[in-house]
Amino acid sequence: DAKTTQPNSMESNEEEPVHLPCNHSTISGTDYIHWYRQLPSQGPEYVIHGLTSNVNNRMASLAIAEDRKSSTLILHRATLRDAAVYYCILRDSMNFGNEKLTFGTGTRLTIIP
Amino acid sequence: GAVVSQHPSRVICKSGTSVKIECRSLDFQATTMFWYRQFPKQSLMLMATSNEGSKATYEQGVEKDKFLINHASLTLSTLTVTSAHPEDSSFYICSASQGVVLEQFFGPGTRLTVL
Repeated sequence: DAKTTQPNSMESNEEEPVHLPCNHSTISGTDYIHWYRQLPSQGPEYVIHGLTSNVNNRMASLAIAEDRKSSTLILHRATLRDAAVYYCILRDSMNFGNEKLTFGTGTRLTIIP
Repeated sequence: GAVVSQHPSRVICKSGTSVKIECRSLDFQATTMFWYRQFPKQSLMLMATSNEGSKATYEQGVEKDKFLINHASLTLSTLTVTSAHPEDSSFYICSASQGVVLEQFFGPGTRLTVL
C-alpha cells in the first residue's frame, strides 16, 4: 500500500477552521484517499473519502491537490468534540478483495477552548 | 450510518484464561470483518481478516492458535484470546465491510486487561 505522511500533532482554537494535511507522493491512479478519526477510547469513525475532486459532507471537506500527491482535511468550525486522532489512508479500489485499512500514526488534533 | 457493536466493552481476566469478544453488524450484512489491536499511544494494527464461512487470514506475526476467529454468519464474528497473558492486554477493535462500499464501519472497541 502507498504510504501517507501526516504531522504528529496539531492544535486549533475552538470555532475556528482546521486544515489537516496529508502527503501521499506515491499514490497510484486507483487509490482512494480516506480519512478516519478516532475519538479517545473509541473505535475509528469514517470522515470522508475522495479520488480526484474535492468532496464535502456534513462532517468535513476534503481538498485534493491536482497531482493527487497531497490532500487536506478541512473542519470548517472546530468544536471540542472534534479532538481526536485523524488518519489519512489510501485504499486501492482495484484490489477488490483486499479491503483492509492500514493505519499510520495519524495527527492528534487538540482543540483549545 | 451502519452500526457495529462489540461485546463486552471491557473485560478483566486472570492470566491463563480465555476471553471471547463478539463483533456484530446490527443493520447490515458484513461480507468481511476485520480485527485490530491497539496498544496505548499507538496506532491500530490489523490482526486478521475474516470472511463468513471461511478461515480467517492472519497478518504476519499474529498467532492464529492464540487468537481464534470465527465468522459464523454475515452479522457476527468472534475473537477468542486463548490462554491470555498480561502482554495481551490491549484495546481490540473490529470493523465490518459491505464489500462494494468503500467505507468500513468500526465497533466501539473492547478493552482487555489481563492480570
